[in-house]
Amino acid sequence: AQSVSQHNHHVILSEAASLELGCNYSYGGTVNLFWYVQYPGQHLQLLLKYFSGDPLVKGIKGFEAEFIKSKFSFNLRKPSVQWSDTAEYFCAVTPNTGNQFYFGTGTSLTVIP
Amino acid sequence: DSGVTQTPKHLITATGQRVTLRCSPRSGDLSVYWYQQSLDQGLQFLIQYYNGEERAKGNILERFSAQQFPDLHSELNLSSLELGDSALYFCASSVALTGPDSEAFFGQGTRLTVV
Repeated sequence: AQSVSQHNHHVILSEAASLELGCNYSYGGTVNLFWYVQYPGQHLQLLLKYFSGDPLVKGIKGFEAEFIKSKFSFNLRKPSVQWSDTAEYFCAVTPNTGNQFYFGTGTSLTVIP
Repeated sequence: DSGVTQTPKHLITATGQRVTLRCSPRSGDLSVYWYQQSLDQGLQFLIQYYNGEERAKGNILERFSAQQFPDLHSELNLSSLELGDSALYFCASSVALTGPDSEAFFGQGTRLTVV
């Protein structure tokens, strides 16, 4: 069965630190990849997406992610985090068959001022 | 505002009861997804519809059912409610099933509390 793994469950960083959140998926075919963010008490919002082309994608608020096909990974990065980045981050995958939207278990990020 | 509307925002009901959650997708979106989010289970996929037809089924209990109507709005019916059904229920919609328009837009969710 297809799955999405997010290895970091809780991450605590100081402001200005660099961030990298891991995401691996298990699916042998073509996929579309996403990172979503959920601020406290809010709904999920799209940070960035990859469906083809340049494997390095840039999203909103200074986030970027790199798709490494050989590693089945789509890690999220930000060079310098801010207190306002405190949120839950979800990696998601949809196979090109269009069935389902697989979400990882989420990573809770706390940024300390 | 994502354009996906969920009603009601909050719902408190007793065990054994039945409730209906409603979702209006973004204009033009054909695909609707339902998710359950609880503290201990994370974001669990329940079911997906595309243009009125069931497309995929996840960890949806037999006590739960859903449908997508001709106007593309969707309803999630939860019956014989148990305390453990208390959670945030999200609806999401997308234009396409795959490709650049496949991103899902989420509603604000319905917080269900079963007492």
